[in-house]
Amino acid sequence: AQSVTQLDSQVPVFEEAPVELRCNYSSSVSVYLFWYVQYPNQGLQLLLKYLSGSTLVESINGFEAEFNKSQTSFHLRKPSVHISDTAEYFCAVSGSGAGNMLTFGGGTRLMVKP
Amino acid sequence: DAEITQSPRHKITETGRQVTLACHQTWNHNNMFWYRQDLGHGLRLIHYSYGVQDTNKGEVSDGYSVSRSNTEDLPLTLESAASSQTSVYFCASSPGTGSETQYFGPGTRLLVL
Repeated sequence: AQSVTQLDSQVPVFEEAPVELRCNYSSSVSVYLFWYVQYPNQGLQLLLKYLSGSTLVESINGFEAEFNKSQTSFHLRKPSVHISDTAEYFCAVSGSGAGNMLTFGGGTRLMVKP
Repeated sequence: DAEITQSPRHKITETGRQVTLACHQTWNHNNMFWYRQDLGHGLRLIHYSYGVQDTNKGEVSDGYSVSRSNTEDLPLTLESAASSQTSVYFCASSPGTGSETQYFGPGTRLLVL
């Protein structure tokens, strides 16, 4: 069984400041890791994912996450946030051989203030 | 463009009624999933399907059923709606060949009175 913990339910930050959204997971097998973003009144969209290879993965809009196996973490970072980054962010994990079932964390609401 | 749609987007029903939420995808994906989203719980898996005639129970399947008669559709039925089933429901699909991204629909907001 897998579980995901997102340590912060809300993260307020000022525009152009850096941000880190924390995600820790537990699993007895090798995993794939995902970050999804949900804008208000919309479905979830994939932000980035780690499958294998380089432990640092990046998205097209400036977010990055680093897979840390020893700390079982997959924290999401952005060096300078914009108002448009205000959204709910979900970390998710699937077993690498588990048929693509995702287990989600509880979500972190990122609130970017001007 | 290929897409995944859900209907209705909003639904109000009464306790004890049967409700069916529709999910339709045009990607020809093998895998389809139903989740519910509740504050503080993230998304929890209700049912999933790996192909036509295949259905499986997820973490919170009690009170729900699905059927997969074709590739494109996975309707979710609440047999006898309960107030505890008030939630936002999301359908998702993925190709089914490995560790792919799941693509989510816009969601259905269900209120059970």
